[in-house]
Amino acid sequence: GQQVMQIPQYQHVQEGEDFTTYCNSSTTLSNIQWYKQRPGGHPVFLIQLVKSGEVKKQKRLTFQFGEAKKNSSLHITATQTTDVGTYFCAGPTSYGKLTFGQGTILTVHP
Amino acid sequence: DTGVSQDPRHKITKRGQNVTFRCDPISEHNRLYWYRQTLGQGPEFLTYFQNEAQLEKSRLLSDRFSAERPKGSFSTLEIQRTEQGDSAMYLCASSATQGHFQYEQYFGPGTRLTVT
Repeated sequence: GQQVMQIPQYQHVQEGEDFTTYCNSSTTLSNIQWYKQRPGGHPVFLIQLVKSGEVKKQKRLTFQFGEAKKNSSLHITATQTTDVGTYFCAGPTSYGKLTFGQGTILTVHP
Repeated sequence: DTGVSQDPRHKITKRGQNVTFRCDPISEHNRLYWYRQTLGQGPEFLTYFQNEAQLEKSRLLSDRFSAERPKGSFSTLEIQRTEQGDSAMYLCASSATQGHFQYEQYFGPGTRLTVT
């Protein structure tokens, strides 16, 4: 079945440093979604990428979808303490359910 | 509040007991999903509904688990004869669809189950 893998599993940064998490799928994806889960919270949708090679920005967050539509990345510029949480990528199957990666836990030290 | 709601938020039960969780999705959403999440892992798909029809159930899900969405609105997830391995956060999510395109999923706060 479809597998979605993320690296790294953990990332500790000083406030102001950049952060990147990478996502790889075992199959070609129709689209990829990114979610953020704060400690003690539930996943919250961030963005969806659909087109091959697509790049989208949300303030300090930059999302990329690979040309082959099998990988994606999330880059945060100049991290802040509010960025703390777990970032998940998720790919849909042909039936619409999402397969989530195991997530990257981001810790930001002030 | 027009978000996804789940009840109860916490449930502690003894091994062997049955438990039932409820999810109320966003009213305009026709798809409803159940996931299970354990510490350090991403949400794991359990089952999902389009309106009242259950379209898929994870092969990892034992026969002790059953879900319903009787009128295409709220959904219930029942676990019979609970085991300690069932301890997890159970998340419900809903989304809209248009043809084959799936929009983002909105998650509820989850029900944390502890089996003692």
